[in-house]
Amino acid sequence: EAGVAQSPRYKIIEKRQSVAFWCNPISGHATLYWYQQILGQGPKLLIQFQNNGVVDDSQLPKDRFSAERLKGVDSTLKIQPAKLEDSAVYLCASSLHVSIRGRLFYEQYFGPGTRLTVT
Amino acid sequence: KQEVTQIPAALSVPEGENLVLNCSFTDSAIYNLQWFRQDPGKGLTSLLLIQSSQREQTSGRLNASLDKSSGRSTLYIAASQPGDSATYLCAVTLGGGADGLTFGKGTHLIIQP
Repeated sequence: EAGVAQSPRYKIIEKRQSVAFWCNPISGHATLYWYQQILGQGPKLLIQFQNNGVVDDSQLPKDRFSAERLKGVDSTLKIQPAKLEDSAVYLCASSLHVSIRGRLFYEQYFGPGTRLTVT
Repeated sequence: KQEVTQIPAALSVPEGENLVLNCSFTDSAIYNLQWFRQDPGKGLTSLLLIQSSQREQTSGRLNASLDKSSGRSTLYIAASQPGDSATYLCAVTLGGGADGLTFGKGTHLIIQP
């Protein structure tokens, strides 16, 4: 089974430029997440999609970040304009619920991430 | 707001030792807790998922325990090997389980050959 795919793997841009990241989740996974991981920190959730609808974007800096998931499959995350503090690894994850003893669990599977450097 | 803390931040031990990594969380109303491994330049690999009603989970040389009432989890690694060197992250989910994960900062583990 193919894992979560992300591209590009690395990106270097200057501040105030724009950048976009792409994620292809595992086939059949309805829920998709974007996380930001700054060096030395744990990942922080930016946005969560259920199919093509947004479930949680409370930690997304909406003045500069945007994301979409057209047709409920692939997703793109955009930053416009980028700031120095946006330098981080952007991780995409997808999940499928499994029922264990009548309770639903959503195990998340992560892609390799995109490392963004803003200079 | 849920906060997750991991101690120690870094750990270096000789090969063959048993070791314990600690995780604490502030809101005990978690749905589940996961331990992940992260290798440099790579994504996260799920190691163990513990349901809120469970006390522990085991996979090979790994054993994770959960004390929900005290807001603590431990990851026990038996007979450590150099290949275990990585960053270990603890994460919790609130709500119905489909929510995003709240992570700790991780423990950077080095196993000396």
